[in-house]
Amino acid sequence: DGGITQSPKYLFRKEGQNVTLSCEQNLNHDAMYWYRQDPGQGLRLIYYSQIVNDFQKGDIAEGYSVSREKKESFPLTVTSAQKNPTAFYLCASSREAGMPSTDTQYFGPGTRLTVL
Amino acid sequence: RKEVEQDPGPFNVPEGATVAFNCTYSNSASQSFFWYRQDCRKEPKLLMSVYSSGNEDGRFTAQLNRASQYISLLIRDSKLSDSATYLCAVNPGGYNKLIFGAGTRLAVHP
Repeated sequence: DGGITQSPKYLFRKEGQNVTLSCEQNLNHDAMYWYRQDPGQGLRLIYYSQIVNDFQKGDIAEGYSVSREKKESFPLTVTSAQKNPTAFYLCASSREAGMPSTDTQYFGPGTRLTVL
Repeated sequence: RKEVEQDPGPFNVPEGATVAFNCTYSNSASQSFFWYRQDCRKEPKLLMSVYSSGNEDGRFTAQLNRASQYISLLIRDSKLSDSATYLCAVNPGGYNKLIFGAGTRLAVHP
């Protein structure tokens, strides 16, 4: 079965702790993305990666970090520096970056993070 | 002005109705446009891509108006199962950084 998986589905964190959200895809897509969604709002881009071993900050990267050591994996770490981390986190991938007709993004099921 | 704007709704329509949503974008260089459907507490799922003037898939029609910088989504013969939030996304060009609207909520009632 091809697709994007995210784990865990729900995550609870105490203030001051770092947590890492997993995102794996077996679609052989080059590009991967992390978004955050808050209630009643659209998706905001945290980080994206066009290719292995390269990634770029999105619009709200502060307090987050990523790595892209393998094509199929793009984990996101939410650090204690993120002031308001409670949100729905969505990972996405696309076959190619920046090319019309191959830039469609597909989403994983998301991780709902709650800071206690 | 936001880069991508949508009417938040909710649009409350009876089954069988035709409903249309608009999405305006600010960057005239934008190249790719998408409509996603998002059910409550789920991930967005691609509904339609729009690369030229428009696209049709069954009851759904998406149109692009570059001169006025908006895309629209038309849903004909609404079903109860169409109830969801519809997100508009725009690629402003260059690297694939989609900009999402906040979504339009649709509620179809019997």
